[in-house]
Amino acid sequence: GESVGLHLPTLSVQEGDNSIINCAYSNSASDYFIWYKQESGKGPQFIIDIRSNMDKRQGQRVTVLLNKTVKHLSLQIAATQPGDSAVYFCAETGDFGNEKLTFGTGTRLTIIP
Amino acid sequence: DADVTQTPRNRITKTGKRIMLECSQTKGHDRMYWYRQDPGLGLRLIYYSFDVKDINKGEISDGYSVSRQAQAKFSLSLESAIPNQTALYFCATSDPNRENTETQYFGPGTRLLVL
Repeated sequence: GESVGLHLPTLSVQEGDNSIINCAYSNSASDYFIWYKQESGKGPQFIIDIRSNMDKRQGQRVTVLLNKTVKHLSLQIAATQPGDSAVYFCAETGDFGNEKLTFGTGTRLTIIP
Repeated sequence: DADVTQTPRNRITKTGKRIMLECSQTKGHDRMYWYRQDPGLGLRLIYYSFDVKDINKGEISDGYSVSRQAQAKFSLSLESAIPNQTALYFCATSDPNRENTETQYFGPGTRLLVL
């Protein structure tokens, strides 16, 4: 069936460096993608989203890149800080208005001081 | 997100007991969701509701029931808890028609342990 997955379950990055978290999806009808951050003991928190008519979107220190050709999504975090340590999930939906999100399993990002 | 609250935050119960998890939101969103999170499996949808009169099964609804008492309240019940329902449960809300986004906003979660 359709699935959303991540290439790597864990990622360690030196503080101040940039990090890239990847996500592969298989539903070619997916047209909306979200990245969530989940800190220990908390619920997922919205970071950034992107629609399929775009290939790049930037926020504060975060950039999401979408490659529809290979069905790949990435989250780039610039100048990582200790507070960036968390689990990051991608999620997708292909049906606006019926927005049942499909979530990936998550990547644990650890920032090394 | 303080706009979405869940009670209790932690619960320990025994096999066979009936329990209810509560979710309230002050975001004024029409749509509410219950998810279950297990290690290595990500978030899985249990039930969702698009308005007070609407209840829909998600991918893992067996053993659960829900009630949408008002726009702001959506409760999840385990009629007869079993150990494999031990998990972290999240409530979420969304309102794509108002906010023009499918983004869902999550509560802080309820950690449930079934002995």
